[in-house]
Amino acid sequence: GQQLNQSPQSMFIQEGEDVSMNCTSSSIFNTWLWYKQDPGEGPVLLIALHKAGELTSNGRLTAQFGITRKDSFLNISASIPSDVGIYFCAGPLNSGYSTLTFGKGTMLLVSP
Amino acid sequence: GAGVSQSPRYKVTKRGQDVALRCDPISGHVSLYWYRQALGQGPEFLTYFNYEAQQDKSGLPNDRFSAERPEGSISTLTIQRTEQRDSAMYRCASSLRQGPYNEQFFGPGTRLTVL
Repeated sequence: GQQLNQSPQSMFIQEGEDVSMNCTSSSIFNTWLWYKQDPGEGPVLLIALHKAGELTSNGRLTAQFGITRKDSFLNISASIPSDVGIYFCAGPLNSGYSTLTFGKGTMLLVSP
Repeated sequence: GAGVSQSPRYKVTKRGQDVALRCDPISGHVSLYWYRQALGQGPEFLTYFNYEAQQDKSGLPNDRFSAERPEGSISTLTIQRTEQRDSAMYRCASSLRQGPYNEQFFGPGTRLTVL
């Protein structure tokens, strides 16, 4: 099946630092989604990308849909302790967008 | 409640027992999805419904797993004759309708432990 590879697996940074993580696939995706999962909670959608080359921001978060449609990047600027969590990329398994496939996630830890 | 709710939040059962996990989607949401999430992994698709109709059950691991949504609202995921390998977080999500611009909202999950 389609697999999404996320890197890095985990990051431990100081508050205020910028963070960058990425997601790659062997298959083309028409939509890329970035979710954040807080401890004990379900994933929450951060950013949705629907067009190759698209660059979208949500506050301190910026995500890009790669030109090849096989990758995506998420950047967090000026990290704060509440950015702690697991960040997942996801994309639709089929053209109906009814089911999503997720990467294994990047765990982010932020030291105050 | 405003969000997706799931019950129970935690379920411990003995191998061989049947379990039923419940999902209450956001009111008015047409599409409902079930995922399973192992430790250190992202959610893995199991099955989904539009209204009461099960559209795709290709992610269900075997025939011990079944799901229903008889009235197009609450859904139940049933696992018969549980095995230790069934231990995982089971997550439900709902969206207003299916499609790329319809966000899937996830519930808090049910943590299933099979002893």
